[in-house]
Amino acid sequence: GENVEQHPSTLSVQEGDSAVIKCTYSDSASNYFPWYKQELGKRPQLIIDIRSNVGEKKDQRIAVTLNKTAKHFSLHITETQPEDSAVYFCAASRTGGGADGLTFGKGTHLIIQP
Amino acid sequence: TAGITQAPTSQILAAGRSMTLRCTQDMRHNAMYWYRQDLGLGLRLIHYSNTAGTTGKGEVPDGYSVSRANTDDFPLTLASAVPSQTSVYFCASSDHTDTQYFGPGTRLTVL
Repeated sequence: GENVEQHPSTLSVQEGDSAVIKCTYSDSASNYFPWYKQELGKRPQLIIDIRSNVGEKKDQRIAVTLNKTAKHFSLHITETQPEDSAVYFCAASRTGGGADGLTFGKGTHLIIQP
Repeated sequence: TAGITQAPTSQILAAGRSMTLRCTQDMRHNAMYWYRQDLGLGLRLIHYSNTAGTTGKGEVPDGYSVSRANTDDFPLTLASAVPSQTSVYFCASSDHTDTQYFGPGTRLTVL
């Protein structure tokens, strides 16, 4: 089955700086890669996703890059703000209906220092 | 619309007892999922259902069963709870775009 590795487990950055979280996956058939943000005591919420037919996707301060050859993808957050503090999870799946479910990384606790 | 709901919010259960965690969505999504979240382990898939009437096993299915009698409901049953099933349980559903939407979670403690 799929295995997703996520690094780092904790990331502390100064407010206004950029943050980068990296993930690798093992199943070359995976073609859907979402990122979720989870605040303490809350449910995971999708912040951005990318499919295997593109290499990069941006949404305001958030971007995701995908390298299918190397089987890794990354989340980039620019101009970080206090409300970006949370746990971030990457995930991967083979789709065609999302039927397999997602395989998640173990999460990155992002801390924004004022 | 309510989206996706779960019940109960939290529960303390004696080991050996059975329990059913409820999950309901009103978005008419075909696919539904159950995950458990444990500190340091992230979210792991327990069972999934592509459409009403079908179910499948995920990464950690042992000790759990599911049913999908209709599109809206996807209950998760623990037949005989053990302390290692102490966790936060999230139900999710997905539409044709593969985006998964999560419920608010159920915090289960097995003593």
